[in-house]
Amino acid sequence: ETGVTQTPRHLVMGMTNKKSLKCEQHLGHNAMYWYKQSAKKPLELMFVYSLEERVENNSVPSRFSPECPNSSHLFLHLHTLQPEDSALYLCASSPQSGTDTGELFFGEGSRLTVL
Amino acid sequence: GNSVTQMEGPVTLSEEAFLTINCTYTATGYPSLFWYVQYPGEGLQLLLKATKADDKGSNKGFEATYRKETTSFHLEKGSVQVSDSAVYFCALRDGGATNKLIFGTGTLLAVQP
Repeated sequence: ETGVTQTPRHLVMGMTNKKSLKCEQHLGHNAMYWYKQSAKKPLELMFVYSLEERVENNSVPSRFSPECPNSSHLFLHLHTLQPEDSALYLCASSPQSGTDTGELFFGEGSRLTVL
Repeated sequence: GNSVTQMEGPVTLSEEAFLTINCTYTATGYPSLFWYVQYPGEGLQLLLKATKADDKGSNKGFEATYRKETTSFHLEKGSVQVSDSAVYFCALRDGGATNKLIFGTGTLLAVQP
């Protein structure tokens, strides 16, 4: 139990569906992240939120839309995805501070399959 | 930009064998370096870290030394157990106010009894 909870754990959707992934952290952190994990590729950083403001968007297609309504919750809205978007989507959080702890606290991930 | 390269897996070892997983990095300056581990069905968790050159990170019998001369941070363990079977990720901190990390591809370790 890392204090970061992701739902759903598994999701199967068609290319025309709209769905959302949810992440919730109970650690009092101020920064939250979405990473994409695909087989045989480095983890890809998708979005970073700091104090509920998006501070990084790594050239992610617009069919992925993040939302951070408060410092404890992070969503990834999915719309008209492609089969190559099938992957494990990992949420993480960290303290927002000037100290270099470097530690990210990850959820267990949401396994997405796009048919 | 900054990047991390780690050896491809899978690495298959017998119990009590010696483990080395290679990791090299490309970065400006001297970023903090990390090893994360992902057990089956779980998210990543921090295994160890080193924040400056010549530092040695250690945890659960694993060690890695920050070598700026060779830009490397190889992971080692003297005697692996079946319970060490997992995917291991090398990473560096990319700077800035958040803890944005750049990860390698991950190396699957399978330890057989």
